[in-house]
Amino acid sequence: GAVVSQHPSWVICKSGTSVKIECRSLDFQATTMFWYRQFPKQSLMLMATSNEGSKATYEQGVEKDKFLINHASLTLSTLTVTSAHPEDSSFYICSARAFTLTSGASTDTQYFGPGTRLTVL
Amino acid sequence: GQNIDQPTEMTATEGAIVQINCTYQTSGFNGLFWYQQHAGEAPTFLSYNVLDGLEEKGRFSSFLSRSKGYSYLLLKELQMKDSASYLCAFTRYSTLTFGKGTMLLVSP
Repeated sequence: GAVVSQHPSWVICKSGTSVKIECRSLDFQATTMFWYRQFPKQSLMLMATSNEGSKATYEQGVEKDKFLINHASLTLSTLTVTSAHPEDSSFYICSARAFTLTSGASTDTQYFGPGTRLTVL
Repeated sequence: GQNIDQPTEMTATEGAIVQINCTYQTSGFNGLFWYQQHAGEAPTFLSYNVLDGLEEKGRFSSFLSRSKGYSYLLLKELQMKDSASYLCAFTRYSTLTFGKGTMLLVSP
């Protein structure tokens, strides 16, 4: 259980175009999803928290008009990178929040999608 | 402020035991996660500690000391496939803050 998918797994686009990345929770409903960005040999950096039916909460320094997040249903969140530039090239990973039983207690866990490799030429 | 620190790289041999340490500082804390990440892939969940002490799960164990802001991941009977980056992350108000990861290289 707790499977998260992402589409596409990789994308190459021209500078100035927009790219949409989808994140789906396949076997559970996720009221909260998260979007991360990871540069080579760096840690995952949280970009925004996506809540179903409401506006996303962006981390400091992340441009909300450039990285559009839509969480229209309990199983789907989308990240659109608008007017992409080469510096936006990165590994984008989503996660979905789920509550799982661990040692008899309910644990607030994030399950990650497989990631999307974006290359902007 | 928030800070999380772990060694950049570690090496070990197949069959050995390795301990990856993680220290953190944060004003709010719910629990400590460990994730494994192979190159080019997303992280996979290994363990979660919310109370002090050791949690054992097969070859992997994780320890937490909340008072010391310290955790470690213990990997036993190392296998070649354990070569990966190991990320510790603390959770605070349902968001995760990750360390930079420890790249573990297991050699024959």
